[in-house]
Amino acid sequence: DAKTTQPNSMESNEEEPVHLPCNHSTISGTDYIHWYRQLPSQGPEYVIHGLTSNVNNRMASLAIAEDRKSSTLILHRATLRDAAVYYCILGTGANSKLTFGKGITLSVRP
Amino acid sequence: GAVVSQHPSWVICKSGTSVKIECRSLDFQATTMFWYRQFPKQSLMLMATSNEGSKATYEQGVEKDKFLINHASLTLSTLTVTSAHPEDSSFYICSARGLEKLFFGSGTQLSVL
Repeated sequence: DAKTTQPNSMESNEEEPVHLPCNHSTISGTDYIHWYRQLPSQGPEYVIHGLTSNVNNRMASLAIAEDRKSSTLILHRATLRDAAVYYCILGTGANSKLTFGKGITLSVRP
Repeated sequence: GAVVSQHPSWVICKSGTSVKIECRSLDFQATTMFWYRQFPKQSLMLMATSNEGSKATYEQGVEKDKFLINHASLTLSTLTVTSAHPEDSSFYICSARGLEKLFFGSGTQLSVL
């Protein structure tokens, strides 16, 4: 399986934008880029996914590099409820089996 | 949005007993469900893929006789931890495959005494 690399942690201030990077240099042409997040003691929650083009939804934006070897999840205005572990995962389909890595722990300061 | 209901939220059992965890897709049919386990401060580990009407596919290193999976209908998959031991204590999470994404249950914290 193609792997992703994320920083271990990141801190942000409330109401400021947050950019969470993800490297996936061995991504294949059919791999989708998925982002899920997990709040403490809860199951993961879908955030966004994309294949080649940048994507926007009500939760976040996903910026995908032209060579697809990296991507960035953008939270436009962080809130305290956005504090979670964010996972960047590659999958062969939009709803394929997902293998989770360590993720990045986002802390949000009031 | 689609919801996956997982029960129970937590369970405490004695060593040697069996525990069943249910995962239901409430407003959509899920031909495929996934079961994960998660130890404290660690990431989710995929245990098995559950397909409606057929045998589950287990990941390498996961004992199929220990973790029995049944996916008897399009909305229900169950995971039974048989003869549970303290090392089986973990957070178990199910997910169901939707049209464009996976939907996850809220997890079951299993503590084996």
